[in-house]
Amino acid sequence: EIVMTQSPATLSVSPGERATLSCRASQTVSSNLAWYQKKPGQAPRLLIYGASTRATGIPARFSGSGSGTEFTLTISSLQSEDFAVYYCQQYNNWPLTFGGGTKVEIK
Amino acid sequence: EVQLLESGGGLVQPGGSLRLSCAASGFTFNTYAMSWVRQAPGKGLEWVSVISDSGDITYYADSVKGRFTISRDNSKNTLYLQMNSLRAEDTAIYYCAKAATLGNYRYFDYWGQGTLVPVSS
Repeated sequence: EIVMTQSPATLSVSPGERATLSCRASQTVSSNLAWYQKKPGQAPRLLIYGASTRATGIPARFSGSGSGTEFTLTISSLQSEDFAVYYCQQYNNWPLTFGGGTKVEIK
Repeated sequence: EVQLLESGGGLVQPGGSLRLSCAASGFTFNTYAMSWVRQAPGKGLEWVSVISDSGDITYYADSVKGRFTISRDNSKNTLYLQMNSLRAEDTAIYYCAKAATLGNYRYFDYWGQGTLVPVSS
């Protein structure tokens, strides 16, 4: 099973600042990586797939990069609605696996 | 508008069984793979199972293999998860999710609001 490790566990950021979230795979997943946003009491929301392609309706301030084992989700200028938990998910191998999440909180 | 509505959750004793349902609307159900993903209290997301658009291909997480069965009824636009031999560690909110693209089983663009399954005596 591919283990996905996200860092940091918590990121404290002021509104308007840039947030950089990391995701590392225990073995290569090529570009088969997705990012999701999760808020309490809400369904997860697909942000990025293919490591860098924004899903339909996702604002341009969200961007993804990386391949192989190292990936980054960048939120260029945090808005109030962006404070949430973010998960990466690899889909290169079965079973599908998620990272433990990074909580982006207001500084 | 895509809608996924889970039902069937509720308190169950260890060793018991439960069947979850997910009613889908707003898209051509029989052309997309579907999945179940769960989130235990205070924990992250855990993929559980996926089924192909026609229902002939299924995959399971090792943690549920042999105990859970995913199925679908394309005539009713409904996804199911039969859960047997439930354990305390199966306690979670269970989400159904739609595959993001045709022919893809592996990442998901629409999710339901979830149904809570507490397993406790």
